[in-house]
Amino acid sequence: GENVEQHPSTLSVQEGDSAVIKCTYSDSASNYFPWYKQELGKGPQLIIDIRSNVGEKKDQRIAVTLNKTAKHFSLHITETQPEDSAVYFCAASKGVEGGSEKLVFGKGTKLTVNP
Amino acid sequence: DGGITQSPKYLFRKEGQNVTLSCEQNLNHDAMYWYRQDPGQGLRLIYYSQIVNDFQKGDIAEGYSVSREKKESFPLTVTSAQKNPTAFYLCASSIANIQYFGAGTRLSVL
Repeated sequence: GENVEQHPSTLSVQEGDSAVIKCTYSDSASNYFPWYKQELGKGPQLIIDIRSNVGEKKDQRIAVTLNKTAKHFSLHITETQPEDSAVYFCAASKGVEGGSEKLVFGKGTKLTVNP
Repeated sequence: DGGITQSPKYLFRKEGQNVTLSCEQNLNHDAMYWYRQDPGQGLRLIYYSQIVNDFQKGDIAEGYSVSREKKESFPLTVTSAQKNPTAFYLCASSIANIQYFGAGTRLSVL
């Protein structure tokens, strides 16, 4: 089955710096890659996702890149702010448009943005 | 106010007791999921259901049971067979592969 590895497990940056979190996946059939942000005591919230037919997607300060050949994808946060501090999870699935395939999650990265 | 509601927020289980965690959604999503979250372990899939009256085991189903009698509801029972139930439990529903999560239930053993 699918296996998703996520690095680093913890990341500390200064406010205003960029943060990068990387994930690799094992199943070449996976084609949907979401990123979730989880604040303490709350459920994960989807922040950005990418499908395998594109290589990069941006949403304001957040971007995700996908390298299908190498089977890895990354989350980039620019101009970090203290409110970006949270645990971030990557995930992968073999879903198709309109489908509901299960997600396989990485183990998470705890991001701390120091003021 | 649409979304996924999990209750209770905190739950305590006595030795040998079964407890049931509630998950209700008003998003009209067909698929629903239960995850267990432990520190440093990420989210592990317990059970999932893609349609009413049907569900499948996930990666860690032992000691848990579910039912899906209504589209809106997917309750999870933690049975006495689950020897290490202390964890944060998350319910999700999905459409077009996008999963939306509830706020979670924290289960502890007395």
